[in-house]
Amino acid sequence: DTAVSQTPKYLVTQMGNDKSIKCEQNLGHDTMYWYKQDSKKFLKIMFSYNNKELIINETVPNRFSPKSPDKAHLNLHINSLELGDSAVYFCASSQENTGELFFGEGSRLTVL
Amino acid sequence: AQSVSQHNHHVILSEAASLELGCNYSYGGTVNLFWYVQYPGQHLQLLLKYFSGDPLVKGIKGFEAEFIKSKFSFNLRKPSVQWSDTAEYFCAVNARISGGYNKLIFGAGTRLAVHP
Repeated sequence: DTAVSQTPKYLVTQMGNDKSIKCEQNLGHDTMYWYKQDSKKFLKIMFSYNNKELIINETVPNRFSPKSPDKAHLNLHINSLELGDSAVYFCASSQENTGELFFGEGSRLTVL
Repeated sequence: AQSVSQHNHHVILSEAASLELGCNYSYGGTVNLFWYVQYPGQHLQLLLKYFSGDPLVKGIKGFEAEFIKSKFSFNLRKPSVQWSDTAEYFCAVNARISGGYNKLIFGAGTRLAVHP
């Protein structure tokens, strides 16, 4: 059973399109995150939700909109995709008292 | 602002060589420290973590790290690397934010290539 699962794993799309990535965790964790990993492997936090409440919102263009329907799911919707959005997006979850993250397998987004 | 610095961006070793990857952090409060590994094409996996207690932490696959508070460092070591250790290694520090929540801040990563 995959603990943190993301779909799709690969996404190739044209500039200007809108796309979504879904994430689900079955670990019973309270907190979920979206991280972006660029071509140089640098990992940057984008958003975090705790029990469906937004707690971290880094400097991210408002074309990116996270949604957490329940504490086991955190989806990421991206409007008007740009070339610079090409990256691997990782979902993660944690129990708040440790800070230790459990990562999904990543979703590689390529914008042409 | 909290930050994590990894000094070695790219390390190349032969099998059986010893490894030490540097990590320094900038954060004034109580820290939880982590090393994650990302094998080619895969997601991040936890290698080891330090919360409190013995500053020498043992992890999986023969890795260990030492927390030196006075130096704000958490260097990763392995006495003898294998070809299968080829991967990207990330140091991370857990920073407390408002509301009692946590934010994991990653270093830029060190790419390790081990040649047979």
